[in-house]
Amino acid sequence: QVQLQESGPGLVKPSQTLSLTCTVSGGSISSGDYYWSWIRQPPGKGLEWIGYIHYSGRTHYNPSLKSRVTISLERSKNQFSLKLSSVTATDTAVYYCARDREGVAGDYWGQGALVTVSS
Amino acid sequence: QSVLTQPPSASGTPGQRVTISCSGSSSNIGGNIVNWYQQLPGTAPKLLIYTNNQRPSGVPDRFSGSKSGTSASLAISGLQSEHEADYYCATWDDGLNCWVFGGGTKLTVL
Repeated sequence: QVQLQESGPGLVKPSQTLSLTCTVSGGSISSGDYYWSWIRQPPGKGLEWIGYIHYSGRTHYNPSLKSRVTISLERSKNQFSLKLSSVTATDTAVYYCARDREGVAGDYWGQGALVTVSS
Repeated sequence: QSVLTQPPSASGTPGQRVTISCSGSSSNIGGNIVNWYQQLPGTAPKLLIYTNNQRPSGVPDRFSGSKSGTSASLAISGLQSEHEADYYCATWDDGLNCWVFGGGTKLTVL
């Protein structure tokens, strides 16, 4: 069974870049059947899809975040990463990595990583 | 303000059947499949229903989904205390060109 685990700094200063990595086990990110996503959830609020990457390198981002988001693959480590630039307090959230398949966002999820934006 | 509209709360007594609605538009639910997620307190969301009414392996048949027009519903029969959670609907939005989620419904078992 595939498992995902987020890692990265839990505190980021305003205007800096948030960086998180998702390590995938029990499956290969190079499988063409899946997409690899980031989804976030501000404290006490709902879910927001950030974007996904396919093993081919093709990406697709939420238009509301597109100018600040980069998702990339590290195939040799079976990992994918998120970078969100110019962060503000409104970017404080639990960030989840997830596996998508056609028609389904998030059939498997990581446990989530809380990132707080504060000076 | 979420693109998909869910009631913020729902409740029922043990053994009851409850339904949670998810309302959208022709650019999202009206033209695409709907998925549902369960988020137990302090945990990550878990896929509960996909492609409108399909259950992943391991999800009991007390959970069911349906879709009609620009709305979808999740039904839970034989309500139990362990079903207390937040429930989210999601679908692709052709206008926004991204996945969109409902605001979530907090289910309380009285």
